[in-house]
Amino acid sequence: EVQLVESGGGLVKPGGSLRLSCAGSGFTFNGHSMNWVRQAPGKGLEWVSSISSSSRYIYYADSVKGRLTVSRDNAKNSLYLQMNSLRAEDTAVYYCAKSLEPDRDWFDPWGQGTLVTVSS
Amino acid sequence: EIVLTQSPATLSLSPGERATLSCRASQSVRSYLAWYQQKPGQAPRLLIYDAFNRATGIPARFSGSGSGTDFTLTISSLEPEDFAFYYCQQRSNWPRTFGQGTKLEIK
Repeated sequence: EVQLVESGGGLVKPGGSLRLSCAGSGFTFNGHSMNWVRQAPGKGLEWVSSISSSSRYIYYADSVKGRLTVSRDNAKNSLYLQMNSLRAEDTAVYYCAKSLEPDRDWFDPWGQGTLVTVSS
Repeated sequence: EIVLTQSPATLSLSPGERATLSCRASQSVRSYLAWYQQKPGQAPRLLIYDAFNRATGIPARFSGSGSGTDFTLTISSLEPEDFAFYYCQQRSNWPRTFGQGTKLEIK
């Protein structure tokens, strides 16, 4: 069974930093691109970032470019999101999601999410 | 950026009825459109990808159609567990974008 487990969320002050992790199991981690999607409280879904299986290709939403950095460690079956210069508008549940197939990067499945709250 | 507009924002129906949800793209996304279902307190779940392919384990009452800019998610006969939020998403261009969602509620 494919499992994705996020961790690292919490309360942080504006301007602060946080590092999210996502541990994958039950699939060939180094064969799939991985993704981060967030959801602000009571709002819809917002794609944040995607990273290819080898880390060669990385993409970001304009709203996070220059502040959030995605990375992965295939040896550890893990995905990361380094979050710097955090703002109140970054408050959200952050989900990691596996790409459905190597050449079809639909988001399936998703982890349970980790809540990041940016507040003084 | 491709903007996806979903309609209606809220759909009120009864179990057993047919639900039709719409997603319109600001420019062609070919067939690179997916639908997700999200229940309160849960992560989203992939229902339909590439416009009409059902994801693994998704019941046959869910179907997708469309191409280019206009897409439809149809639930042929609503079950109680189908009342939830539904989002469309495109992977034709970067950035990946989602529609704002449709809330399917019990009438």
